[in-house]
Amino acid sequence: ETGVTQTPRHLVMGMTNKKSLKCEQHLGHNAMYWYKQSAKKPLELMFVYSLEERVENNSVPSRFSPECPNSSHLFLHLHTLQPEDSALYLCASSQEWGAGANVLTFGAGSRLTVL
Amino acid sequence: RKEVEQDPGPFNVPEGATVAFNCTYSNSASQSFFWYRQDCRKEPKLLMSVYSSGNEDGRFTAQLNRASQYISLLIRDSKLSDSATYLCVVLFYSSASKIIFGSGTRLSIRP
Repeated sequence: ETGVTQTPRHLVMGMTNKKSLKCEQHLGHNAMYWYKQSAKKPLELMFVYSLEERVENNSVPSRFSPECPNSSHLFLHLHTLQPEDSALYLCASSQEWGAGANVLTFGAGSRLTVL
Repeated sequence: RKEVEQDPGPFNVPEGATVAFNCTYSNSASQSFFWYRQDCRKEPKLLMSVYSSGNEDGRFTAQLNRASQYISLLIRDSKLSDSATYLCVVLFYSSASKIIFGSGTRLSIRP
């Protein structure tokens, strides 16, 4: 285990469903990230939270809604998704954000399929 | 031009061979560089950081060329277990930080 735990590992949902992805880190890190990985594409940064404050939002559609209740937990709330949103969603954490951003530790990912 | 570019491969080499691949970056403000490894259907994991003076970790050697804006990864005496996708990661920070991943280079080692 890397110290970053994601649940669920697999999720199948319809376009009208509402679901959430959860990420928890046990590393004492201050920054947490959501990435999207689609086939044959580089990792796309979606959101960054530093000390529970959102510091990065990379033009992500509003059907993806992040939540960071504390520095150890990060959620990605999903609603009215499209089939093209099917991908591997990776959570990561690092010691700091900004000039201190350094090594990322990833969770195992949540593989999402939208029907 | 992409901020971080990698040859997607695949590189298909025999066990025991030496293989090298490069990664180019476009932003001269880039500060930190890393190689990550991603196995099929798994998460990326840090392989090694890349230092200005170059660094070695067993069979793996990483180099940074700031003048030409590229980093490289050399794998000697390749093993079957080295088969994976290798991701180049560039971090730069000025007024804001950005961590940019390359699209990865697929490496396949054959017996």
